[in-house]
Amino acid sequence: QSALTQPRSVSGSPGQSVTISCTGTSSDVGGYNYVSWYQQHPGKAPKLMIYDVNKRPSGVPDRFSGSKSGNTASLTISGLQAEDEADYYCFSYAGSFTLYVFGTGTNVTVL
Amino acid sequence: QVQLQESGPGLVKPSETLSLTCTVSGASISNYYWSWIRQSPEKGLEWIGYISDSGSTNCNPSLKSRVTISVDTSKNQFSLKLSSVTAADTALYYCARGSYDILTGNYRIDLFDPWGQGILVTVSS
Repeated sequence: QSALTQPRSVSGSPGQSVTISCTGTSSDVGGYNYVSWYQQHPGKAPKLMIYDVNKRPSGVPDRFSGSKSGNTASLTISGLQAEDEADYYCFSYAGSFTLYVFGTGTNVTVL
Repeated sequence: QVQLQESGPGLVKPSETLSLTCTVSGASISNYYWSWIRQSPEKGLEWIGYISDSGSTNCNPSLKSRVTISVDTSKNQFSLKLSSVTAADTALYYCARGSYDILTGNYRIDLFDPWGQGILVTVSS
């Protein structure tokens, strides 16, 4: 099972919006609404930001939102802030054999 | 506050077995699902497998022949064994808890929160 495909990096200025894509197949992203997103700052463990495509855990700012179209899920960060600079990974259920797969990761830079 | 702490050798020889333990504090291991996840520059994040408090497990098919995950509820710990390791198994290994989804009332395998701090395991002779 291959990792889900994400852009290596995206960047934006403070206050702008950035969107990170996560492309899979009909066997994972496209087949289930079990896509989550994790934020990872350097030297830290990942943190859950979005689950089930577009749900936010308690405590996650509403600047973070998720969506899905076909085999591609997206994470949008609106009103970009300096502390949003981090790596972001998508994660998806991939059926009863493969079970779960991570994305390749995207580095977000705040200019 | 729930905390997870990985422990085990930081150096393992090729062909030997990697053994790690995750100790859970601040909450019971009961009811939840517990996962192992690793991270390397070459492969990024990779889900290894999970175990429930009752001992049901499943894991990444690419690792299934080499992975054993077990739980010791009396010690509030769960463990990972990865056999026949090679340099490709060098990674930062995390343990994590699957969250309780308050919207559905379900204990989830896949919503990892919290995580341990991670333990670096190097495979080298």
